[in-house]
Amino acid sequence: AAGVIQSPRHLIKEKRETATLKCYPIPRHDTVYWYQQGPGQDPQFLISFYEKMQSDKGSIPDRFSAQQFSDYHSELNMSSLELGDSALYFCASSLEDRGETQYFGPGTRLLVL
Amino acid sequence: GESVGLHLPTLSVQEGDNSIINCAYSNSASDYFIWYKQESGKGPQFIIDIRSNMDKRQGQRVTVLLNKTVKHLSLQIAATQPGDSAVYFCAENRGGGGSNYKLTFGKGTLLTVNP
Repeated sequence: AAGVIQSPRHLIKEKRETATLKCYPIPRHDTVYWYQQGPGQDPQFLISFYEKMQSDKGSIPDRFSAQQFSDYHSELNMSSLELGDSALYFCASSLEDRGETQYFGPGTRLLVL
Repeated sequence: GESVGLHLPTLSVQEGDNSIINCAYSNSASDYFIWYKQESGKGPQFIIDIRSNMDKRQGQRVTVLLNKTVKHLSLQIAATQPGDSAVYFCAENRGGGGSNYKLTFGKGTLLTVNP
């Protein structure tokens, strides 16, 4: 079965640079969620989108923004990167009417030097 | 062996034993709970879920128990195998319709299965 696809899988950036992470949800899933997981930490919710509209917002820095496109894929844009942004970034998707069951992608490992 | 949840983040068991991983949640409004398994460098993998109108649900080799009175969730793994070694997270959300389905994760428990 098709799963959530994330790209790139690994990313190395310098401080103050920008990064864009992409997420392709499971086919027919219309809701995407972004989570950040620091080393040894549990995943923390950042933001979610349903039908291309932001549906919820968590602990996402103002330096980050995200959007969902007409094909339901989503992009997380990160600017003025800081060392503390180094983490695993996961995207999850779900059907809105089964929103509780979120299926996670393999993640993007971001390292800020 | 048994984990006491958030205060004991590691659990080591022998292959073939049963494992019990515990989780305490704080939001009494949460009505949907999920257990995820996360292997090193991978995304959380859905294991089993339970709604607040149930107190037990069984899957293949796994059982989730929910005690709403004390806001406690547990995951039981029968006949634990080396492939079960991973970090296990419980997660909760309010569900109930609408699009506010963000998950709040508990602290993970590292399960190590010794052959």
